[in-house]
Amino acid sequence: GALVYQYPRRTICKSGTSMRMECQAVGFQATSVAWYRQSPQKTFELIALSTVNSAIKYEQNFTQEKFPISHPNLSFSSMTVLNAYLEDRGLYLCGARGRGDTEVFFGKGTRLTVV
Amino acid sequence: GDSVTQTEGLVTLTEGLPVMLNCTYQTIYSNPFLFWYVQHLNESPRLLLKSFTDNKRTEHQGFHATLHKSSSSFHLQKSSAQLSDSALYYCAAATSSGQKLVFGQGTILKVYL
Repeated sequence: GALVYQYPRRTICKSGTSMRMECQAVGFQATSVAWYRQSPQKTFELIALSTVNSAIKYEQNFTQEKFPISHPNLSFSSMTVLNAYLEDRGLYLCGARGRGDTEVFFGKGTRLTVV
Repeated sequence: GDSVTQTEGLVTLTEGLPVMLNCTYQTIYSNPFLFWYVQHLNESPRLLLKSFTDNKRTEHQGFHATLHKSSSSFHLQKSSAQLSDSALYYCAAATSSGQKLVFGQGTILKVYL
């Protein structure tokens, strides 16, 4: 079956430092990968959508300078939170989809705590 | 922009009673995909139901929903709640290409004995 793994599951970083999180698709080819953030008491916000052979599209309020994303192949993506501050706390979810699929498969998320 | 509204933040029920979680959406696209995801504690969201066909009931694991484009709704229902149904439920919408999911605020369902 299709699975998505994210690591680390939890991480703590000091305010102003950076933190990289990874997403791996198993059992299917992840032609598109979306990164979401679930902040405390909020729903999932789309940060950016990465599609193979297309430029990465960032949503309003999220930038490549703050959340650089790499999607080098059909099974892996990573995102870095640069200069993390309190407002960057939350659960970061990776959702991956195969070509022609409508279902998005989610990992268990990386929970970021900023101290 | 596109949006999804779930009016209830928390629904509490006694086991055996029917479940209905509301979901309405707003999009400029005429053929949106609608989804219900369920997230149990410390787990990732898991797809429960999906639909893009107007007025067609879709069912899975005892839950069902019907996409009504006339009212832009995709309410989730179940005839009899079980304790194991307690979880966080998200309604989400995507454009016809399915590239980008927009989530509602989520509804916590708590089922008691």
